[in-house]
Amino acid sequence: DGGITQSPKYLFRKEGQNVTLSCEQNLNHDAMYWYRQDPGQGLRLIYYSQIVNDFQKGDIAEGYSVSREKKESFPLTVTSAQKNPTAFYLCASSITQKGEKLFFGSGTQLSVL
Amino acid sequence: GQNIDQPTEMTATEGAIVQINCTYQTSGFNGLFWYQQHAGEAPTFLSYNVLDGLEEKGRFSSFLSRSKGYSYLLLKELQMKDSASYLCAVRGGVDSSYKLIFGSGTRLLVRP
Repeated sequence: DGGITQSPKYLFRKEGQNVTLSCEQNLNHDAMYWYRQDPGQGLRLIYYSQIVNDFQKGDIAEGYSVSREKKESFPLTVTSAQKNPTAFYLCASSITQKGEKLFFGSGTQLSVL
Repeated sequence: GQNIDQPTEMTATEGAIVQINCTYQTSGFNGLFWYQQHAGEAPTFLSYNVLDGLEEKGRFSSFLSRSKGYSYLLLKELQMKDSASYLCAVRGGVDSSYKLIFGSGTRLLVRP
């Protein structure tokens, strides 16, 4: 079955540590996105990628980094510069960047130890 | 600025009908989406409106009025499994057509 796989489901970060969240899709979609979801708030866009080897900052990119070396993969690194990383992180993809409906992964809950 | 407003919480009874409203102010408009999200899970697509009017899909219907910046999601014959958050999202104008702006979501509780 085609879909988006995020791992791990739960992740804990220590002070000063960088952590990487995995996102893999086998839908052959060009565009991929990372969103952050906090309780009582809407999804906020961190980074997006329209095509391999290209990505742009979203609304809250500070303290995060991404890469898009393969069409299927769009990992997100939460760096030590992100001072409030506790949140639910959602990866999504769409056929193109023109915004057909998004398909979401099952999410990663990141917490700080 | 860009803003999407939805009620925070709603409660309804199994078998009843509930309407979840969404109002928006965005720079440009290229469509409105509704997603359902159960706690700790991925949002799943429910509906898409780009023209004014009502779109019906089984027990779920979605309405759009572009002149009023208003949409609603109508859920009929409510079932317990419909307890979830419902996210309204608007796709912006030409310069930002890739971006979906999400509301905070409406948490719906269906009671027996």
